[in-house]
Amino acid sequence: DAGVIQSPRHEVTEMGQEVTLRCKPISGHNSLFWYRQTMMRGLELLIYFNNNVPIDDSGMPEDRFSAKMPNASFSTLKIQPSEPRDSAVYFCASSLGDSRSFGSGTRLTVV
Amino acid sequence: AQRVTQPEKLLSVFKGAPVELKCNYSYSGSPELFWYVQYSRQRLQLLLRHISRESIKGFTADLNKGETSFHLKKPFAQEEDSAMYYCALSAPYNTDKLIFGTGTRLQVFP
Repeated sequence: DAGVIQSPRHEVTEMGQEVTLRCKPISGHNSLFWYRQTMMRGLELLIYFNNNVPIDDSGMPEDRFSAKMPNASFSTLKIQPSEPRDSAVYFCASSLGDSRSFGSGTRLTVV
Repeated sequence: AQRVTQPEKLLSVFKGAPVELKCNYSYSGSPELFWYVQYSRQRLQLLLRHISRESIKGFTADLNKGETSFHLKKPFAQEEDSAMYYCALSAPYNTDKLIFGTGTRLQVFP
């Protein structure tokens, strides 16, 4: 099992551009989480899905951020338009019951 | 408000010294508490949870409801303990929404 797979590993983009981060959860896991990691704020939960349905998106910073989970094996986090303050490491995690696994993260740099 | 506070961003000790990573929480009720660890170039992983009451890699953490704390301790630090440590809480019986602290980087010098 390759675990939670995130792509890309690194993304550098210019301010104003659209950015799409991708996540493939572990097969059989029924919950998926998107986190943002920064030095100042640590790990923040942005949104999570249960059985492909968004349950809590209260952590999504603003309307520029959106997330989808069209099926049990794929999710995207989109930022449009991106801003320099969005620069962070974005983690995806999936879980089944109490067993939670994190991806390696996508390091996003917006210049 | 639900909150996890880790007051130290960086903790540096020498090998063999005792380690205590502080974690305080704010929660109305009895949350579940966790410690996660992220070693260099590795994924974030669960280290221990308070309901398990177990010692992992020599680390222990005791939930103190009076002080609303869940400090992580190890009597003798090893170089391989160097990592980023996150304290987290969730509602009881529903660990979906994990709230993390800002993390503490532990550096263990030889």
